[in-house]
Amino acid sequence: AQSVSQHNHHVILSEAASLELGCNYSYGGTVNLFWYVQYPGQHLQLLLKYFSGDPLVKGIKGFEAEFIKSKFSFNLRKPSVQWSDTAEYFCAVTPGGNYGQNFVFGPGTRLSVLP
Amino acid sequence: ETGVTQSPTHLIKTRGQQVTLRCSSQSGHNTVSWYQQALGQGPQFIFQYYREEENGRGNFPPRFSGLQFPNYSSELNVNALELDDSALYLCASSLGGLSSYNEQFFGPGTRLTVL
Repeated sequence: AQSVSQHNHHVILSEAASLELGCNYSYGGTVNLFWYVQYPGQHLQLLLKYFSGDPLVKGIKGFEAEFIKSKFSFNLRKPSVQWSDTAEYFCAVTPGGNYGQNFVFGPGTRLSVLP
Repeated sequence: ETGVTQSPTHLIKTRGQQVTLRCSSQSGHNTVSWYQQALGQGPQFIFQYYREEENGRGNFPPRFSGLQFPNYSSELNVNALELDDSALYLCASSLGGLSSYNEQFFGPGTRLTVL
């Protein structure tokens, strides 16, 4: 069975600091990888996704993530965070291809950005 | 374009009761998935419906059941409620069927409290 782990439960940064949130998954086959964000009081939204090709993917709001297959990792990065990035971030994985959308989510990392 | 909506927003039930949660998919979306998000955890996949048929199920007992209607709205039914069923229930809709390449759009969730 697939599983996703996220390294940090809660990260606190000052504005303009760089961000890296860790995500590791366990699954033997091809995977699709996602980062979702949940801003306070809002719906889960897709930040970025990786299906194939360039392992460095860029998403909305200046976020990017790198897929390292050998490490089963898909870490999220942002060079300079803003107060508005305060949110809960979830990494998720699905089997690659047409196998349905049974996403497996990680437990989430809460990011607090201090002004 | 109307997003995914869910009703009710909050619900309080007692152990042993039954509950029905509702989801209205984003316009034109023919696939809906339901997730349970316990406090402090990531969403857990319950099941998915595609064109009114269940297509995949997570590790949830049969007392969790669902329906998808011809207009692609959906219901999640939970029988014999237990205290551990207290959670945020999310639905997500997508277009194009079973492919995991299709982006899921999440609703705001229904907060269920079981006393």
